[in-house]
Amino acid sequence: GESVGLHLPTLSVQEGDNSIINCAYSNSASDYFIWYKQESGKGPQFIIDIRSNMDKRQGQRVTVLLNKTVKHLSLQIAATQPGDSAVYFCAENSRSQGNLIFGKGTKLSVKP
Amino acid sequence: KAGVTQTPRYLIKTRGQQVTLSCSPISGHRSVSWYQQTPGQGLQFLFEYFSETQRNKGNFPGRFSGRQFSNSRSEMNVSTLELGDSALYLCASSPPSGGAYNEQFFGPGTRLTVL
Repeated sequence: GESVGLHLPTLSVQEGDNSIINCAYSNSASDYFIWYKQESGKGPQFIIDIRSNMDKRQGQRVTVLLNKTVKHLSLQIAATQPGDSAVYFCAENSRSQGNLIFGKGTKLSVKP
Repeated sequence: KAGVTQTPRYLIKTRGQQVTLSCSPISGHRSVSWYQQTPGQGLQFLFEYFSETQRNKGNFPGRFSGRQFSNSRSEMNVSTLELGDSALYLCASSPPSGGAYNEQFFGPGTRLTVL
């Protein structure tokens, strides 16, 4: 079946460093991708999205890169802060799917 | 604007019982989706409702059902609970849009424990 996965289940970075969280997707028909952040005890929170007609999109301290050739998605967080500690999920959607398919999640831990 | 609210936040049930969870979407949002989150399976899509109609359904048994009311509030029901149903149940609402995809706003979830 269609699935979205993550290369690294856990990531530990030093405060102030840049973080890169990776995600592989399997459905070549997917044309919409989202990154969510989930803090303990809370629901997922939208971070940034990207459509398949783009390969890069920037937000505040975050950048999403999309490589359709290898079906790979990444989230870059600049100057990582302790408040960035959370589990990050990538999700994909396609016109045929009609709903979001989430990856397993990567836990980001920021060391002070 | 108030966010997505879910009630109750925590629930403990025993095997064989049934449970009803409630979700109130953000005002003006007409689409409500439900997800099950477990450590082993991650976030899995249950179903989506739009204007009181189920628009999409995930791969879950018929014990899982839902509905949406005219005010867009939604409920999901799980009958004959099993231990494996223990999970965080998340509700998400989406704003009306002319585009193909809408950002989903999640509630805090209902933590269901089945003993």
